[in-house]
Amino acid sequence: QSVLTQPPSVSGAPGQRVTMSCTGSSSNIGAGYDVHWYQQLPGTAPKLLIYGNNNRPSGVPDRFSGSKSGTSASLAISGLQAEDEADYYCQSYDISLSGLYVFGTGTKVTVL
Amino acid sequence: QVQLVESGGGVVQPGRSLRLSCAASGISFSNYGMHWLRQAPGKGLEWVAGIWSDGSNKYYADSVKGRFTISRDNSKNTLYLQMNSLRAEDTAVYFCAREAVHLRFGVFDIWGQGTMVTVSS
Repeated sequence: QSVLTQPPSVSGAPGQRVTMSCTGSSSNIGAGYDVHWYQQLPGTAPKLLIYGNNNRPSGVPDRFSGSKSGTSASLAISGLQAEDEADYYCQSYDISLSGLYVFGTGTKVTVL
Repeated sequence: QVQLVESGGGVVQPGRSLRLSCAASGISFSNYGMHWLRQAPGKGLEWVAGIWSDGSNKYYADSVKGRFTISRDNSKNTLYLQMNSLRAEDTAVYFCAREAVHLRFGVFDIWGQGTMVTVSS
């Protein structure tokens, strides 16, 4: 039972820009906790993509960007490439629920 | 080389136990909090348990509290998850991950490849 809500899927043609949302509540994102994003290619472990709302770890292309406002966050991929086809998860911290570290429901990105 | 390698997964009957291990290399293991997370087949990610760098504090998701125990041996650079009273709903790929406090609170920057646990009679 995921606490953060994401759209099940988004799609775009190569070169296009796609965005996905991550909606939380006043006990997690709205409480000021950071949002982090992970990319999971089929059959592999998640990989950290964005940390602290809008920071990219070393080696992550600047095509990926994150933002946060109120109780929501979003991830944008510009210049979409075939290798971006994957599942994307947002993650934050929650002060009210049993799962301290909470994840989004996940968004499948399809490159048309 | 920076890596986490899980082991110990397998098929186990409901009510039985299993212990997972996560061997770390190249990550200054003793300086970081470590966590177990899981992903049921075709489902999303779920945080399971975490432990401070010195092992003095441990915390669990309600779904596993009282059944699972996280521990670590910093002399062996190894993280463990003892899973007792296993249920069908515990079936998942289990990942260990490092909490990157040098980046930001609550973010997992290094993940293992995962080990599959199947609970079935």
